[in-house]
Amino acid sequence: EIVLTQSPGTLSLSPGERATLSCRASQSVSSSYLAWYQQKGGQAPRLLIYGVSSRATGIPDRFSGSGSGTDFTLTISRLEPEDFAVYYCQQFASSPMYTFGQGTKLEIK
Amino acid sequence: QVQLQESGPGLVKPSETLSLRCTVSGGSISSYYWSWIRQPPGKGLEWIGHIYHSGSTSYNPSLKSRVTISVDTSKNQFSLNLSSVTAQDTAVYYCARHGHGSGAFSFELWGPGTLVTVSS
Repeated sequence: EIVLTQSPGTLSLSPGERATLSCRASQSVSSSYLAWYQQKGGQAPRLLIYGVSSRATGIPDRFSGSGSGTDFTLTISRLEPEDFAVYYCQQFASSPMYTFGQGTKLEIK
Repeated sequence: QVQLQESGPGLVKPSETLSLRCTVSGGSISSYYWSWIRQPPGKGLEWIGHIYHSGSTSYNPSLKSRVTISVDTSKNQFSLNLSSVTAQDTAVYYCARHGHGSGAFSFELWGPGTLVTVSS
């Protein structure tokens, strides 16, 4: 089973700043199989990025994804107040099996 | 637009079977994969399993012995049964639709979730 480790656990930033969230896999992940989600309190997760770098429908272009192999990054170019939430990465393996990272909490500084 | 809604008991006794249903409205259940995902209170996300509209299934190996997912295309619904539950199965349970094409390996659309508590 591929384990995803997200860092940092908590990121404290101010609106307008740039956020960089990391997701590291224990084995290489195919580029088609890495996604990112945003979850706000009491709500279901929302798909932000799929296939490493493709934005889901309706996602603003301040969200971008990058990476390959075992190291992936979600970047929020300029934080808006509504962006403060928990973010999860997720991968697919051919077993089939889907696993999620433990999450990064993005909080207002 | 397409919406998903989970339904089922919010309280299940230990050793019994947890049964949930996901109703898909505003679109067809055909031509997509559909998953169940859960999240214990204050914790992360765990994929339980998925089903294709044809009825083919795949399950998380850690839960496989206790999980059954089925689909009823005539009602645009799919269901989850999780047997022999314990307190560790207490979680918010989400149903979700996979994307298409290269998005098929991610969860594009989610229901609001339903909290299931296992307790006597």
